[in-house]
Amino acid sequence: GIQVEQSPPDLILQEGANSTLRCNFSDSVNNLQWFHQNPWGQLINLFYIPSGTKQNGRLSATTVATERYSLLYISSSQTTDSGVYFCAAAQKLVFGQGTRLTINP
Amino acid sequence: GAVVSQHPSWVICKSGTSVKIECRSLDFQATTMFWYRQFPKQSLMLMATSNEGSKATYEQGVEKDKFLINHASLTLSTLTVTSAHPEDSSFYICRAWGVGGAFFGQGTRLTVV
Repeated sequence: GIQVEQSPPDLILQEGANSTLRCNFSDSVNNLQWFHQNPWGQLINLFYIPSGTKQNGRLSATTVATERYSLLYISSSQTTDSGVYFCAAAQKLVFGQGTRLTINP
Repeated sequence: GAVVSQHPSWVICKSGTSVKIECRSLDFQATTMFWYRQFPKQSLMLMATSNEGSKATYEQGVEKDKFLINHASLTLSTLTVTSAHPEDSSFYICRAWGVGGAFFGQGTRLTVV
């Protein structure tokens, strides 16, 4: 089955910094999503992005389907951005291991 | 947007008892329901997929007799953890898929003591 890998596993930054999270996937997919999991476990859908680039405020994502990777950019990080970010691929959603982002004030 | 209501949010049960988790799609018809499990500080892993009116398809390594999934209607699916043990303590979350997209429930944190 498809494999999804995320890097880095942990990222600690100061407020105001920019960050880039990476997601590699092993096979062609027609579904690639980015999620933010809050401290209560709820999954917040950030982007549905099987290919191309999308932006939503300080967040943007790019997927290069031919090279099987996706990037999530967070600009001007805020403490509320802290949490775990997951990418997931395929209809049934195969999740990567996540990136734990900590934004310090 | 569509709402998927999952109950209970958290539950503590004694070892050996069974626990039922409900997942309801409130404003759309969920033709497919996915159930995931997340152990502490780990990723989400798909346990099973069920289509309305059909038997669930379980992922490799998931015991179908221990994790009973019912998807008898387009708005309700249940996951029953039978004879729960402490190693079943985890975060369980459903994802309902239908026309218009797929949406997660809020999740259930199960603690078996």
